[in-house]
Amino acid sequence: DGGITQSPKYLFRKEGQNVTLSCEQNLNHDAMYWYRQDPGQGLRLIYYSQIVNDFQKGDIAEGYSVSREKKESFPLTVTSAQKNPTAFYLCASSGQGRNYGYTFGSGTRLTVV
Amino acid sequence: RKEVEQDPGPFNVPEGATVAFNCTYSNSASQSFFWYRQDCRKEPKLLMSVYSSGNEDGRFTAQLNRASQYISLLIRDSKLSDSATYLCVVTSNDYKLSFGAGTTVTVRA
Repeated sequence: DGGITQSPKYLFRKEGQNVTLSCEQNLNHDAMYWYRQDPGQGLRLIYYSQIVNDFQKGDIAEGYSVSREKKESFPLTVTSAQKNPTAFYLCASSGQGRNYGYTFGSGTRLTVV
Repeated sequence: RKEVEQDPGPFNVPEGATVAFNCTYSNSASQSFFWYRQDCRKEPKLLMSVYSSGNEDGRFTAQLNRASQYISLLIRDSKLSDSATYLCVVTSNDYKLSFGAGTTVTVRA
């Protein structure tokens, strides 16, 4: 079955550490997205990519970095510059056309310890 | 002003009741509209797209009012399994989705 896979499900980060969240899709979708969700808030866009080797900053890109070397993969690195990284991180992908909704991965819960 | 605003609720309703709630959006150029459902600590899942003419999917009915810039979701004959947070989602011209913070619905036995 086609889908989008995020790993790990839970991640603990020490202060000053960089961590990378994985996102892989086999839906043949061109566009991929990273969102952050905090309790009681809507999803906020971190980065998005509409094509391989190209990506754009979203609304809250500071302290994050991404790469898009393969169509299937869009990893997110949470750097030490992100001062409040504890959140639920969701990766999504979408097909062509703005009438497509997104397909989401099951998310990664990142906690700073 | 937020791009997408929703009444957070919670809406507490008995089984079998009808519940309805709205979402307003600020960008008049928005092209596509969706309702997503999110269960506690899970990822959002697409519930239904919202079309200009309004559309129905079983017990769920979605409406779009472009003049007043809001969309609505109505759930008839509520089931316990309808308890969730419902996210209003709007696209702009650049293929990005903007999410509301969600409306929480709790259906009680």
